[in-house]
Amino acid sequence: GAGVSQSPSNKVTEKGKDVELRCDPISGHTALYWYRQSLGQGLEFLIYFQGNSAPDKSGLPSDRFSAERTGGSVSTLTIQRTQQEDSAVYLCASSPWRSYNEQFFGPGTRLTVL
Amino acid sequence: QQPVQSPQAVILREGEDAVINCSSSKALYSVHWYRQKHGEAPVFLMILLKGGEQKGHEKISASFNEKKQQSSLYLTASQLSYSGTYFCGTGGFGNEKLTFGTGTRLTIIP
Repeated sequence: GAGVSQSPSNKVTEKGKDVELRCDPISGHTALYWYRQSLGQGLEFLIYFQGNSAPDKSGLPSDRFSAERTGGSVSTLTIQRTQQEDSAVYLCASSPWRSYNEQFFGPGTRLTVL
Repeated sequence: QQPVQSPQAVILREGEDAVINCSSSKALYSVHWYRQKHGEAPVFLMILLKGGEQKGHEKISASFNEKKQQSSLYLTASQLSYSGTYFCGTGGFGNEKLTFGTGTRLTIIP
């Protein structure tokens, strides 16, 4: 079956512009996670969804970052007024249920802020 | 707080064994292990839960020491395909969020 998909695969933007990153989880997966991975670094948790609600937003680095999930499926991560330090690979993962299940990762979106 | 992985990097010859450690300052309920090859998404290896048994997957196994808040990943008779960066992700009870370590880069040479 289809895995987690993300779009775009690459995004180059100018400082100060807004960007939207999209994640399509595996069908039926109720949990959805966003992570950020800077060059050569580990995975930094951003936000977690269970269904359409986000019980844990603790990883969002600033109020310029927001995310939503509609219909318990597609999620969009929005970064407003992008800064150069926002440049990173943004990874989305989904999981069939909340209880300590494997997370299936998408291929990521590489964001470059000039 | 981010778990600490050691070593940061290791180079092995094909057939040698490796151990990767993951330590947390917080009480752990679960430890996840993932492998990421360059330019690719992380791929799940295994989950260890508090009170669970040591897990195994082909020639890759892991242990979970609850008291020490540590997990170790064991790779035996390493193959070229084992090359990549290994991440542990730790979780507390009732907390679905995983906090990942900084990773261990494993390079297997022929």
